[in-house]
Amino acid sequence: EVQLVESGGGLIQPGGSLRLSCGASGFTFSAYAMTWVRQGPGKGLEWVSYISTRSTTIFYTDSVKGRFTMSRDNAKKSLYLQMNSLRDEDTAVYYCARVSRYRESSLDYWGPGTLVTVSS
Amino acid sequence: QSVLTQPPSVSGAPGQRVTISCTGRSSNIGAGYDVHWYQQLPGAAPKLLIYDNSNRPSGVPDRFSGSKSGTSASLDITGLQAEDEADYYCQSYDSSLSGSVFGGGTKLTVL
Repeated sequence: EVQLVESGGGLIQPGGSLRLSCGASGFTFSAYAMTWVRQGPGKGLEWVSYISTRSTTIFYTDSVKGRFTMSRDNAKKSLYLQMNSLRDEDTAVYYCARVSRYRESSLDYWGPGTLVTVSS
Repeated sequence: QSVLTQPPSVSGAPGQRVTISCTGRSSNIGAGYDVHWYQQLPGAAPKLLIYDNSNRPSGVPDRFSGSKSGTSASLDITGLQAEDEADYYCQSYDSSLSGSVFGGGTKLTVL
């Protein structure tokens, strides 16, 4: 059974840093690209970042470029999102999701999400 | 302001049919990129409902169907059931943004 579990969320002050993790099981992690998607309180889904299978291609949405860094460790079957210079508007539930095939493909499995609250 | 436009809400009585639209532009749906649909039940993570415009993952009832034409796509739900009450999101890829884009979401209420 495919499972994705996020961790690392919490309450952080504006300007602070946080590192999210996503552990994968039930599939060959190294064979799939991955994404982070976030959802602000009462809001819709927002794509955050994408990483290819061997980390050679990484993309970010404009609002997080230069502040967030996505990475992965295939040996540990883990995905990461380093978030720096956090702003109030980064408050959201952050989901990691598996990309089913290529970059434009659907996200076929999602984790339950981890809540990040940026507030003083 | 989402890149893909969906109606904020739709509603229907049990057994009826509803359609949720998703309108994009020439850099995403109109460029030929596939549209995918997700169902998000209250308090839960999104779940893939339709992929590549019209395909259902294993386990998704055939009451759910999707289509795409030009710069738009649609999700049809027939034989509405109470458990269909959820938020529905469309997703595609946008070449000008070099990333995925989502619709703003549509809240389905079963009357």
